[in-house]
Amino acid sequence: EIVLTQSPATLSLSPGEGATLSCRASQSVNTYLAWYQQKPGQAPRLLIYDASNRATGIPDRFSGSGSGTDFTLTISSLEPEDFAVYYCQQRNTWPLTFGPGTKVDIK
Amino acid sequence: QVQLQESGPGLVKPSETLSLTCTVSGGSISNYNWNWIRQSPGKGLEWIGYIYSSGSTNYNPSLKGRVTISVDTSKNQFSLKVNSVTAADTAVYYCARRIQLSYCNGGSCGLGNWLDPWGQGTPVTVSS
Repeated sequence: EIVLTQSPATLSLSPGEGATLSCRASQSVNTYLAWYQQKPGQAPRLLIYDASNRATGIPDRFSGSGSGTDFTLTISSLEPEDFAVYYCQQRNTWPLTFGPGTKVDIK
Repeated sequence: QVQLQESGPGLVKPSETLSLTCTVSGGSISNYNWNWIRQSPGKGLEWIGYIYSSGSTNYNPSLKGRVTISVDTSKNQFSLKVNSVTAADTAVYYCARRIQLSYCNGGSCGLGNWLDPWGQGTPVTVSS
């Protein structure tokens, strides 16, 4: 199965700052990668799919890029509601797999 | 809009069968792909499997044949059974729809299937 690794594990930032999160795949997943946001006590929510496409209702401060094995989620300017855990997930190969997550917390 | 709600026992004894149901509201279960995912501190998010509304299934090999997913279109529900459970099956269990979305990356466009929306999740503990 494809293993996804995410870095850093934790990112401590202040509101208004930009965030850059990384996801690396153990083999190419083409552009078949998504990002999800999860807040405490809630289910993951789809943010970005197929590497760079924003899901419905997602603000344009969220953007994704990458292909092959290296992907980035960028939050241009953190709002208070953006402090959460972010997961990447690939659909290139069964079984579907997720990364371990990056926690973005308030500095 | 479509909403999903998991239900089932929160406590299961070791070696017994874990059974959960996901009820879909606000839309039909037909013509979609329905998934179970679980989340535990030790293993993170783990995709368990899916069932299409027609009944075809696909499971994660990591669960070694212990999983069965079924669908009841008359009730707009689908279900998960995991047999011979151990403490390692303790997790929050989520159901989710897999939806086809159009994408464009540079000059290449197509359709991809992603998990959206998810249910709120239900915790299950395996303990005697």
